[in-house]
Amino acid sequence: DGGITQSPKYLFRKEGQNVTLSCEQNLNHDAMYWYRQDPGQGLRLIYYSQIVNDFQKGDIAEGYSVSREKKESFPLTVTSAQKNPTAFYLCASSTHLGSYEQYFGPGTRLTVT
Amino acid sequence: EDQVTQSPEALRLQEGESSSLNCSYTVSGLRGLFWYRQDPGKGPEFLFTLYSAGEEKEKERLKATLTKKESFLHITAPKPEDSATYLCAVQVNYGGSQGNLIFGKGTKLSVKP
Repeated sequence: DGGITQSPKYLFRKEGQNVTLSCEQNLNHDAMYWYRQDPGQGLRLIYYSQIVNDFQKGDIAEGYSVSREKKESFPLTVTSAQKNPTAFYLCASSTHLGSYEQYFGPGTRLTVT
Repeated sequence: EDQVTQSPEALRLQEGESSSLNCSYTVSGLRGLFWYRQDPGKGPEFLFTLYSAGEEKEKERLKATLTKKESFLHITAPKPEDSATYLCAVQVNYGGSQGNLIFGKGTKLSVKP
């Protein structure tokens, strides 16, 4: 089955620690995205990538970093500089940047205490 | 500023009671409008894409329509399994972030048997 996988589903970290969230897709999509979802707010774009070894900041990139070494993978690192990291993180992909539909993974819920 | 507003925030229906969800948007140039369904703790599931005013799309009990300022998601004779949060997003046709989606905060639909 083609799709997007995110792991783990739940993640717990202590404040001050960096943590990396995994996102893998086997849809052969060029573009990938990371969003953050908080209660009562719309999804907000953190980073996006249209091709391997290239990525751009979204609306709320501060305190996050990404890499795109493989077409299939787009991991997100939540650094200790992110002031409010507890949230639901969603990865998405589309055939290319600017294509219409984005398809989402199941999400990772990160709790930092 | 580009903006997407969904109303109501929450909607409770009895099974079989038809209703509509609203998504109003203010953007300078619309490339596409998207509806997603999101179940608790899961990633959004793509439902529809609408491209131009007057367009309509249907899927089972759902029908999406688009005007120049808003979109409606009509739910006919809903069932309890239609309970979810419905997200609206727009894609603009200008600027350096073409292809990126601007999300509303969603409408949480509850359908009681």
